[in-house]
Formats: sequence, C-alpha cells, structure tokens
Amino acid sequence: RKEVEQDPGPFNVPEGATVAFNCTYSNSASQSFFWYRQDCRKEPKLLMSVYSSGNEDGRFTAQLNRASQYISLLIRDSKLSDSATYLCVVNMRLGSSNTGKLIFGQGTTLQVKP
Amino acid sequence: DTGVSQNPRHKITKRGQNVTFRCDPISEHNRLYWYRQTLGQGPEFLTYFQNEAQLEKSRLLSDRFSAERPKGSFSTLEIQRTEQGDSAMYLCASSLEAWAYEQYFGPGTRLTVT
Repeated sequence: RKEVEQDPGPFNVPEGATVAFNCTYSNSASQSFFWYRQDCRKEPKLLMSVYSSGNEDGRFTAQLNRASQYISLLIRDSKLSDSATYLCVVNMRLGSSNTGKLIFGQGTTLQVKP
Repeated sequence: DTGVSQNPRHKITKRGQNVTFRCDPISEHNRLYWYRQTLGQGPEFLTYFQNEAQLEKSRLLSDRFSAERPKGSFSTLEIQRTEQGDSAMYLCASSLEAWAYEQYFGPGTRLTVT
C-alpha cells in the first residue's frame, strides 16, 4: 500500500467550477501535511500547508481529518491557470526534529476548460 | 537567479556508464534533498543533507547511487553502472532547517539510459 494515495484523475472541469481533491495517508505518525502544485514539465512548488482546523488561501481551501487520515483540497471558481497536477504531501517527524523527508502522492491532474 | 539550479538539464547515457549530476541550492539553505520522479508519479525521496552531513537515505538508493555535499554548499549525485530503470527526472530541493517542509525545487535533470 502506498503511503500517500490520490486519485490521479484527470479531472476535467469548466472555468468557474468548484473541484475537490482527496488524499489518504497510511502512517498515523505523519505530522505535517501540504499540497504542492506541479505544472507540466516543471518542478513542484508549495501551494499551501494543511491544518486540522482547515485553512483557506483565496480560492483554495485545505482540510485535514486526522482520525480518518484524510486530506482534501477545494478549488472554487476554477481558472484556466489552475490546470496542473496537485500533489498531496506528508512530512514525518523524527523525535523532536522535522526530518524534511517529504512523501508525495501520485498527484491529481486538473484540466480547466474554457 | 537565486533559485535552485541543476546541471545538466538533460543527460542521455548508455547502460553501464556512470553519470554525475550537480545541484546548487539557494545559498542560505542548509538542507538539501534529492528526489526521483518518473512519469505519472510523484517525486520519491532519495536522500537529504543538513550542511555537509547526509542524514537519511532511502532504500531506493542502491549501492550504485552515491551523493555528496562536501562543503555544505553544492551537492552531487552519482549513479554508477546505469540501468534502464534509472531513467527518470532527478530533482534537487533545498530548505531552511526550521522550514524543512517548504522545499524549493530545482528544474531537475532528466536522465535517459539507452
């Protein structure tokens, strides 16, 4: 079983649509959670962190459910420029230290159509 | 340009040859990471350094792979006796220790083993 699982999609949505991506992780010791974005043939870039209380950044809302080991990303009012692969990412801690070892999911591809 | 740089950007080699990649991190970042990404998958952690110390290595890093960061600045990743299965994008990232989850990725080196 993969440590971080995502539906690879693709999700094809019209401009203006709301779309949600989900992700599950297997290691209950996971400490920190993120969404990275990767454009075609480009490097991944941090999109946002994910907190238990939920957090919002403009049109993007991220949510964490530790009990279910589930992470979500909601994109409202989709733009053409949102077309990319969204990577669900988990970070482990080792004792009191943040290891920096990121575990990436397979990624979910979003294509926003005009 | 003060971002993470990687050289070469592309490398084509014949099976059995040795290859070496270089990564120059963001200058004030003391952590440096290597990941490998194949088509349709998220990046997979290989190893990371804090300054010149290699703190963790993945089981993916067989004895044909070696990474160094001799002066705590740039890093090299060498693959000996390359195999076709080594064909992938090799990504380097750097971060501050305190913000280890916010990793800045380089453009990657695409390796093709023929």
